[in-house]
Amino acid sequence: SQTIHQWPATLVQPVGSPLSLECTVEGTSNPNLYWYRQAAGRGLQLLFYSVGIGQISSEVPQNLSASRPQDRQFILSSKKLLLSDSGFYLCALLGQANSPLHFGNGTRLTVT
Amino acid sequence: AQKITQTQPGMFVQEKEAVTLDCTYDTSDPSYGLFWYKQPSSGEMIFLIYQGSYDQQNATEGRYSLNFQKARKSANLVISASQLGDSAMYFCAMRELRAGGYNKLIFGAGTRLAVHP
Repeated sequence: SQTIHQWPATLVQPVGSPLSLECTVEGTSNPNLYWYRQAAGRGLQLLFYSVGIGQISSEVPQNLSASRPQDRQFILSSKKLLLSDSGFYLCALLGQANSPLHFGNGTRLTVT
Repeated sequence: AQKITQTQPGMFVQEKEAVTLDCTYDTSDPSYGLFWYKQPSSGEMIFLIYQGSYDQQNATEGRYSLNFQKARKSANLVISASQLGDSAMYFCAMRELRAGGYNKLIFGAGTRLAVHP
């Protein structure tokens, strides 16, 4: 079965510090991978998606970047965090065209 | 452009009663999929039910059913016999199926459901 690992579960970082959130998946190959952000009490905003190694598409201009160095690894990064980067970050995968999107447990980021 | 609208920020229902959560969508693509997810306070996203744009019948999964009205572009979630554990945020989402392995999924703003005993 498909499994998504996200870490850390919670993170508190000062403004201006760098960020690296990692997502790894198991039980599937060549999945579509996604990074979503959810502000408190709000819906999910698609940040990045990737259809393969080295292939990243950005949905909204922002302070963040993403990379996919391996088929089952998706990384969300920032060189300098802003207060507005606080939120709940979810990694998701889509294995097959008609299957649902599977989510990791998320990382709750607080920028202070 | 794709758009998902959930007009009910919050809903209340008595335990054991049925409740309908509204979702309307807008897309120009003839091939798409519609999903409902539940998000309890823990934050995890739990997949509930799926409806394909070409499916002839409304999807059902246990106590969940999807009232799919294609001409009206609506995909309402019906929860029958509500339970206290149904209290959570519910999100409607739409996926466009595109060539080249690109599937884009967008979410509505969500509806917070509270089930009262």
